[in-house]
Amino acid sequence: EADIYQTPRYLVIGTGKKITLECSQTMGHDKMYWYQQDPGMELHLIHYSYGVNSTEKGDLSSESTVSRIRTEHFPLTLESARPSHTSQYLCASSERTGHVSPLHFGNGTRLTVT
Amino acid sequence: GDSVTQMEGPVTLSEEAFLTINCTYTATGYPSLFWYVQYPGEGLQLLLKATKADDKGSNKGFEATYRKETTSFHLEKGSVQVSDSAVYFCALLVNTGFQKLVFGTGTRLLVSP
Repeated sequence: EADIYQTPRYLVIGTGKKITLECSQTMGHDKMYWYQQDPGMELHLIHYSYGVNSTEKGDLSSESTVSRIRTEHFPLTLESARPSHTSQYLCASSERTGHVSPLHFGNGTRLTVT
Repeated sequence: GDSVTQMEGPVTLSEEAFLTINCTYTATGYPSLFWYVQYPGEGLQLLLKATKADDKGSNKGFEATYRKETTSFHLEKGSVQVSDSAVYFCALLVNTGFQKLVFGTGTRLLVSP
């Protein structure tokens, strides 16, 4: 079973606050991802990383930023939260191999900005 | 570009009914195909996968066959249980550069006793 952890599970915060969503994995995976899941369930890739010190923006433009200082850790930060950021955020990881490697997901952080 | 189209839900079935959730895709090259499941309040879990044409993925009674000629990867189960109630996502792996997953919009399955 995959070991990827996200905290907090739920977060309710006021507009303008800075927040960091944590994501850690213990599998030594090189690749990590952040997906945003809207209320209609659709998933959008917002950030990904090949490995330490590598981060890229995904398909959906996002005001969030990410960092990858350690292999196991891939936090997502919003400098100034807004109600439009209300969503579920899912972190995932996968192996860096030449073969097809499925993504392993955390349980997500459900963010509500009031 | 690469995309996945799933049938809209919710799909409502009685226990022991037969399930089909349709999935078709558009992709350049030869993608790998996946079904993920999301139970309430949880992240996504890999249900099954197929990496080349005519491959059949199977797990927990669910099956899907990679049909290149119809660009489809329909999910089936012969007899659903209440515990199968969840959201099911079809996805393809774009095997260029980073190998990122492209998801369908998800289909909610509701199974009643």
